[in-house]
Amino acid sequence: DAGVIQSPRHEVTEMGQEVTLRCKPISGHDYLFWYRQTMMRGLELLIYFNNNVPIDDSGMPEDRFSAKMPNASFSTLKIQPSEPRDSAVYFCASSLLGGGRNEQYFGPGTRLTVT
Amino acid sequence: AQKVTQAQTEISVVEKEDVTLDCVYETRDTTYYLFWYKQPPSGELVFLIRRNSFDEQNEISGRYSWNFQKSTSSFNFTITASQVVDSAVYFCALSEAQTGNQFYFGTGTSLTVIP
Repeated sequence: DAGVIQSPRHEVTEMGQEVTLRCKPISGHDYLFWYRQTMMRGLELLIYFNNNVPIDDSGMPEDRFSAKMPNASFSTLKIQPSEPRDSAVYFCASSLLGGGRNEQYFGPGTRLTVT
Repeated sequence: AQKVTQAQTEISVVEKEDVTLDCVYETRDTTYYLFWYKQPPSGELVFLIRRNSFDEQNEISGRYSWNFQKSTSSFNFTITASQVVDSAVYFCALSEAQTGNQFYFGTGTSLTVIP
């Protein structure tokens, strides 16, 4: 079975540009999570969805960040405009059930560099 | 307050040595779940194990074993006869039933196995 798929794997962009990260969760998983990983802050949960509905976006750092899940097999995380401090690895994860009853499976991540 | 503490930032061992990675957690919830993830140099996060708060039985999977002790709020991970392929960053995580889907990750322990 295919795992969580993320694209692109690497993204280099200039400050001020719009960046869109994409994620396809594991088929049948009802929960989708977006994380950001940096050396300074470790792994941070940005937002998660249940059945395509955003449930908790309290981790989204600023209004420049937005996430959507138009259907069960696709989600995007958009940064507009991007800033150098957004440079990080962004992970998408999915799980079958919520509340920790199932493990989260992570995608390979998108390494974002904003110059 | 940090809910998951991994006090060991970096560990180096020589191949074939045993190594234990410590994880101490903090929660007031009676129902919670503990996890270990491995992040090899390639960057992806690989799920290793999930434990719920009602199951204190130790688990063994090949060279990996986990010791869950509620009395000390610890969920330690031991690798027996370490191999170079075990070199990675290992994360411990906690999920509480009351707070739903928030995974609290530790800061990780970087393990280097020297051949």
